[in-house]
Amino acid sequence: EVQLVESGGGLVKPGGSLRLSCAASGFTFGAFTINWVRQAPGEGLEWVSSISSSTNYIYYADSVRGRFTISRDNAQNSLFLQMDSLRAEDTAVYYCARERYSKEGHPFDYWGQGTLVTVSS
Amino acid sequence: DIQMTQSPSSLSASVGDRVTITCRASQNIRNYLNWYQQRPGKAPKLLIYAASSLESGVPSGFSGSGSGTDFTLTISSLQPEDFAIYFCQQTYNTPRTFGQGTKVEIK
Repeated sequence: EVQLVESGGGLVKPGGSLRLSCAASGFTFGAFTINWVRQAPGEGLEWVSSISSSTNYIYYADSVRGRFTISRDNAQNSLFLQMDSLRAEDTAVYYCARERYSKEGHPFDYWGQGTLVTVSS
Repeated sequence: DIQMTQSPSSLSASVGDRVTITCRASQNIRNYLNWYQQRPGKAPKLLIYAASSLESGVPSGFSGSGSGTDFTLTISSLQPEDFAIYFCQQTYNTPRTFGQGTKVEIK
């Protein structure tokens, strides 16, 4: 069974840092691009960042570029998001999501349960 | 960035109703369009990928259509468990943008 489990969320002050983790199981982690998607309270979904299977391709949303760093450890089946210089507007539930590649598009077919990040003084 | 616009933002419907949600892309995205369902307090769930392909395990009452810039998600007969928020998403390029969501509520 495919599983993605996020951890590391919590309360942090503006300007602070937090490191999120996503533990994967039930599939060949190193063969998939993985994404971070966030959802502010009561709001829609916002794509944050993605990292390809071999880390050759890394992308960020404009809203987090220069502050967030995505990484992965394929040997440990883990994904990370280092979040620095946090702002109140970064408050959200953060999901990791697997991207399935096929000639018919790239859907996010499995999602974790999410971890809540609250940025407040 | 490609902008995704859903309509309506919300709708009220009864069990058994046929429901249609539309999604428009700001540029041609071919068929790189996915639909997700999100129930309260839960992660999004993939329903439809590549505009019209039903994800494994998703009830056949869900269907998708469209290509290019205009897309539709249809629920043929609304069930109690279908009351949720629905999001479209383009994966034609990065950033992988989402529509703002359509909340389907009980009438």
